Amino acid sequence: AQKITQTQPGMFVQEKEAVTLDCTYDTSDQSYGLFWYKQPSSGEMIFLIYQGSYDEQNATEGRYSLNFQKARKSANLVISASQLGDSAMYFCAMRGMNTGFQKLVFGTGTRLLVSP
Amino acid sequence: GAGVSQSPRYKVAKRGQDVALRCDPISGHVSLFWYQQALGQGPEFLTYFQNEAQLDKSGLPSDRFFAERPEGSVSTLKIQRTQQEDSAVYLCASSLTSRVDEQFFGPGTRLTVL
Repeated sequence: AQKITQTQPGMFVQEKEAVTLDCTYDTSDQSYGLFWYKQPSSGEMIFLIYQGSYDEQNATEGRYSLNFQKARKSANLVISASQLGDSAMYFCAMRGMNTGFQKLVFGTGTRLLVSP
Repeated sequence: GAGVSQSPRYKVAKRGQDVALRCDPISGHVSLFWYQQALGQGPEFLTYFQNEAQLDKSGLPSDRFFAERPEGSVSTLKIQRTQQEDSAVYLCASSLTSRVDEQFFGPGTRLTVL
């Protein structure tokens, strides 16, 4: 079975500062993918970044980077230069080979609040 | 727009009523997923379609839940005899193929059962 753990219910950061959102995972799959999604108050899930388990480089997408530490089974999201519009729920998720790479398993999320 | 759309956005049902939630995936997307998101939780997988075939329905919580995608495009999630514990946001997502592709999510349907 796959499991995602997000231990930070809420995080606060000042505008323009960097913030790290924690994510650890558990899986017996050898091949899997890790995702981060943003969910604003409007409700839709917005894809941010993806990391494959065999990718040697940490994924980056603009101000988002994924700090992937395979041995520790962690996939933390780093947001640089926070903006007010980054205030939202953030979910870490994974898919694995044993589930046919089909369904996503999500964590419970972290609410990020960016203050001026 | 070219995104995933869902209707209705909000649904209030009396306990015991049947409801039908609609999902229009991105045109040409092979895979379609339904997730249930309870308040304060992350989404949980319900079911998965590849074209019109329902390949995984392991997440459906009971036989009151039924999903279909008869022509491989639009999908409907039906909940019979709704219960209060069915209150949640129901999210639909689609992806281009059946492999490791980004899933694009719709805005969800918020179901409240009174």
